Amino acid sequence: GESVGLHLPTLSVQEGDNSIINCAYSNSASDYFIWYKQESGKGPQFIIDIRSNMDKRQGQRVTVLLNKTVKHLSLQIAATQPGDSAVYFCAETKGSGNTGKLIFGQGTTLQVKP
Amino acid sequence: DVKVTQSSRYLVKRTGEKVFLECVQDMDHENMFWYRQDPGLGLRLIYFSYDVKMKEKGDIPEGYSVSREKKERFSLILESASTNQTSMYLCASSRQGNTQYFGPGTRLTVL
Repeated sequence: GESVGLHLPTLSVQEGDNSIINCAYSNSASDYFIWYKQESGKGPQFIIDIRSNMDKRQGQRVTVLLNKTVKHLSLQIAATQPGDSAVYFCAETKGSGNTGKLIFGQGTTLQVKP
Repeated sequence: DVKVTQSSRYLVKRTGEKVFLECVQDMDHENMFWYRQDPGLGLRLIYFSYDVKMKEKGDIPEGYSVSREKKERFSLILESASTNQTSMYLCASSRQGNTQYFGPGTRLTVL
């Protein structure tokens, strides 16, 4: 069935290093992908998105890469800071249509060591 | 900036009570969503609405109902709260086919 999964439940990095969070998806028809960040006790916050007609998209300190061949999505965070500590979710569109329904991965917890 | 607000951050109710969770968005979004979030289970869609007075069941609608009388407001109703409905409830809104923006969440405890 359809699923969106993250490879690792927890990722620990040193402050200042780059972080890479991975996500595998199974629905080849998905055409829109989003990364969210959720800090403890808060709702998920939009970070960056990418459509299936792109391979890469950059934001401020973040880059999302999409590999449609192997159905893989990654989020790269440059110069990771303590404020980046959170749970990161990937999400994909579920089927066609314009209702914007998403399916979410389980989340990866990013821990930044000072 | 998009703003999605939820009526309560924390709520404690007793088994059998009727519970209303309110969500308001200020960006004129067509779509609104209710999720619950539980450890190890991730975000699960309860109900969504793509227009006023329209609603569709998500993946886990049992024990819940919703109301959307105005475009900016989407209410989640627990007709008779049970302990297995203790959870974090998240509301989101979006334009058609675009990013969902989330509220801060309501942590509901049913005793």
